[in-house]
Amino acid sequence: EPEVTQTPSHQVTQMGQEVILRCVPISNHLYFYWYRQILGQKVEFLVSFYNNEISEKSEIFDDQFSVERPDGSNFTLKIRSTKLEDSAMYFCASSTGQKNIQYFGAGTRLSVL
Amino acid sequence: TQLLEQSPQFLSIQEGENLTVYCNSSSVFSSLQWYRQEPGEGPVLLVTVVTGGEVKKLKRLTFQFGDARKDSSLHITAAQPGDTGLYLCAGANFGNEKLTFGTGTRLTIIP
Repeated sequence: EPEVTQTPSHQVTQMGQEVILRCVPISNHLYFYWYRQILGQKVEFLVSFYNNEISEKSEIFDDQFSVERPDGSNFTLKIRSTKLEDSAMYFCASSTGQKNIQYFGAGTRLSVL
Repeated sequence: TQLLEQSPQFLSIQEGENLTVYCNSSSVFSSLQWYRQEPGEGPVLLVTVVTGGEVKKLKRLTFQFGDARKDSSLHITAAQPGDTGLYLCAGANFGNEKLTFGTGTRLTIIP
């Protein structure tokens, strides 16, 4: 069964460093998303991406964040200068766009020290 | 800002009992999805409900979307230890792709 894959599963970084989280969405999907989940809190929307551009972003998604689809398969989230409060699970999701059914990856746990 | 409140936040019951988890909002959603999340993993879709009043069954799980599309419930019959996990509801709107997640219900079934 097709699935969304995310790498790495765990990323440890120093505060102020740049990180890139990678995702391979399901191949025939057209919409891509990033969400995050701080430990013990609910899943929060960060950004949606369609047709090679951001279609919606939340207040969390400030200038430190960027997304890119560098080729036909990868979808990346970059955090330019990580802060302690960026520590969270980051989930990538994709959908065909119909009925908003989104399929989630297993997540990347980002630990900022 | 749309909010989805789930209740109860924690639920621990004996194997074989029935239970209901609620997902409530003051906002209308065009669709509502239920996910289950295991520790260290991403949410896994269980069901999507779209029509007000819609009822969907998935084996021992029954999902209902409220008539006004502001609330939903998940009912589990004869709970089993394998049902243990975090259950999340998430709402979506037409023309708005993001999902708004609920606060979650952590369910523990005691053998």
